Amino acid sequence: GAVVSQHPSRVICKSGTSVKIECRSLDFQATTMFWYRQFPKQSLMLMATSNEGSKATYEQGVEKDKFLINHASLTLSTLTVTSAHPEDSSFYICSARDRLRTGRYNEQFFGPGTRLTVL
Amino acid sequence: AQTVTQSQPEMSVQEAETVTLSCTYDTSESNYYLFWYKQPPSRQMILVIRQEAYKQQNATENRFSVNFQKAAKSFSLKISDSQLGDTAMYFCAFMKHVVIGTSGSRLTFGEGTQLTVNP
Repeated sequence: GAVVSQHPSRVICKSGTSVKIECRSLDFQATTMFWYRQFPKQSLMLMATSNEGSKATYEQGVEKDKFLINHASLTLSTLTVTSAHPEDSSFYICSARDRLRTGRYNEQFFGPGTRLTVL
Repeated sequence: AQTVTQSQPEMSVQEAETVTLSCTYDTSESNYYLFWYKQPPSRQMILVIRQEAYKQQNATENRFSVNFQKAAKSFSLKISDSQLGDTAMYFCAFMKHVVIGTSGSRLTFGEGTQLTVNP
């Protein structure tokens, strides 16, 4: 149990285009989802936290108009990188948790990540 | 705010030997969780071990065990009988205790330790 999927796993796009990344919880209700960005050989940097049905809370320094997050259902959150530029190239990871569960289900479960390359 | 520090950017160990990864943290919270995550070359984040701060007994999971020193705010990971498949980036992480139903707590990650197991 507690499986999180991400799609696509890899995406290459041209500068100026928008890219959407999906994060799905497959066997539990993801009442809260987190989006991270990770550069090579570095740690995960939290970009935003989203609760189902609410607007996302962005971390300081993260442009909310550039990284649009939608968490419209209990199993799906999307991250849209708008007008992508080469500096947006990175590895994006989502995680999900069910805040209504206790114990291990209170943990974050991670998706496999999406590698974005902007040419 | 919480901070997590991993002072060993890289470590190596011979197959079948034991290695210890260090982690220290700083917090004013009294109730929290500590985690070790493994990120192999596939970049999927995998939970290795979890420790509740209120439990004095150190957590163990097969070949993985921790040395949790709450007063010293130290949380080291010991890997026994190292295997080639243990080669990965290891992240120590902190999470405040969350009350069921609340939107919940973020994970604060350390910088990571790249562990290489040599044949």
